[in-house]
Amino acid sequence: NAGVTQTPKFQVLKTGQSMTLQCAQDMNHNSMYWYRQDPGMGLRLIYYSASEGTTDKGEVPNGYNVSRLNKREFSLRLESAAPSQTSVYFCASSEWDRSGELFFGEGSRLTVL
Amino acid sequence: AQSVSQHNHHVILSEAASLELGCNYSYGGTVNLFWYVQYPGQHLQLLLKYFSGDPLVKGIKGFEAEFIKSKFSFNLRKPSVQWSDTAEYFCAVNARAAGNKLTFGGGTRVLVKP
Repeated sequence: NAGVTQTPKFQVLKTGQSMTLQCAQDMNHNSMYWYRQDPGMGLRLIYYSASEGTTDKGEVPNGYNVSRLNKREFSLRLESAAPSQTSVYFCASSEWDRSGELFFGEGSRLTVL
Repeated sequence: AQSVSQHNHHVILSEAASLELGCNYSYGGTVNLFWYVQYPGQHLQLLLKYFSGDPLVKGIKGFEAEFIKSKFSFNLRKPSVQWSDTAEYFCAVNARAAGNKLTFGGGTRVLVKP
């Protein structure tokens, strides 16, 4: 049981380049999320998708776009990368119930030069 | 909007010492509360969670947390830490009215010296 799988695990970009982080979950969860983790700031929600076909902004959506391709997959796109987007990105999924427990992927470390 | 504060950014302990990490949240309604742990180089894993009922929650690896509603707190404790408890610990809150969106605290890095 793979859980939540993210690719790539590491990426170095130059300012202005674009890239897409891929995420897939095999737990049949309805909700999926993208967080970024920065030192001393914990995890901040970028975008989430409560269910297939819907997406909503989180705390820090600027500079990002998302696509909920189907129930399993939720991608995060940086159209024009900036050094401020250097971070570790985590995808997560959860059941759409009252619990709110998230299951995380292993993270993608992105460096923007 | 909900917010979560973790008061200690770094904690250094010796093995067998007791650990307590503070967590306070700001939200007036009903909440679900979580502690997640991130071991070096790994993803976040759930340590324990509180939804309702007994405010003293026991989790994995000997951790426990107490929900004190009047203080908006959910502090994490372990009576005797081990070197393997070296990790970063995150408190998180889900305001039930906000749906399934967790708000995380800034994290506390714990280093346990052998």
